[in-house]
Amino acid sequence: NAGVTQTPKFQVLKTGQSMTLQCAQDMNHEYMSWYRQDPGMGLRLIHYSVGAGITDQGEVPNGYNVSRSTTEDFPLRLLSAAPSQTSVYFCASSRSSSSGANVLTFGAGSRLTVL
Amino acid sequence: KQEVTQIPAALSVPEGENLVLNCSFTDSAIYNLQWFRQDPGKGLTSLLLIQSSQREQTSGRLNASLDKSSGRSTLYIAASQPGDSATYLCAATNTGTASKLTFGTGTRLQVTL
Repeated sequence: NAGVTQTPKFQVLKTGQSMTLQCAQDMNHEYMSWYRQDPGMGLRLIHYSVGAGITDQGEVPNGYNVSRSTTEDFPLRLLSAAPSQTSVYFCASSRSSSSGANVLTFGAGSRLTVL
Repeated sequence: KQEVTQIPAALSVPEGENLVLNCSFTDSAIYNLQWFRQDPGKGLTSLLLIQSSQREQTSGRLNASLDKSSGRSTLYIAASQPGDSATYLCAATNTGTASKLTFGTGTRLQVTL
């Protein structure tokens, strides 16, 4: 049971480049989400999904796109990377979207640097 | 808007000491509060989840309490060990916000020999 798998673990981009951070879970979790972690800021929610075909914005969605075509996968797309998107990105999932069952399982993180 | 604060940002204690980590939140309409552990370069591991109707939760040497009226939660670690060294984060979920968590910035704990 792999849990939540994120790839790549490290990535360096130039300003304006695009890329996709991959997230896959094998626990048949309904809810998936992306957070970014910056020093002194805590983790902030970027986008989330309560099921296949359904996505919504979190606290800091600008500059990021997501889609959820399958239950297992929830990729995060940066269309035109900016230095302000330098951060560590975490994908997390939980069994249900209801608040009472939201013990989140986190991936190991993807460290992105934008030059 | 919910805001979550953790003080102190860093803490160093000798092995064997009991310690308390603090978490405060501004909006008492929370559904639950979670405590996580994060090791350097790693993801977060959920330690304890307290529902708004509960006062505390226990797991081994860990005990988390919740006081909604004062907007505070504490994580008590008994008989600390060097392996407890990590960053501890708390996160609040507000009523009606599904699984969207508001995180504190964490307390970095070092347990020395």
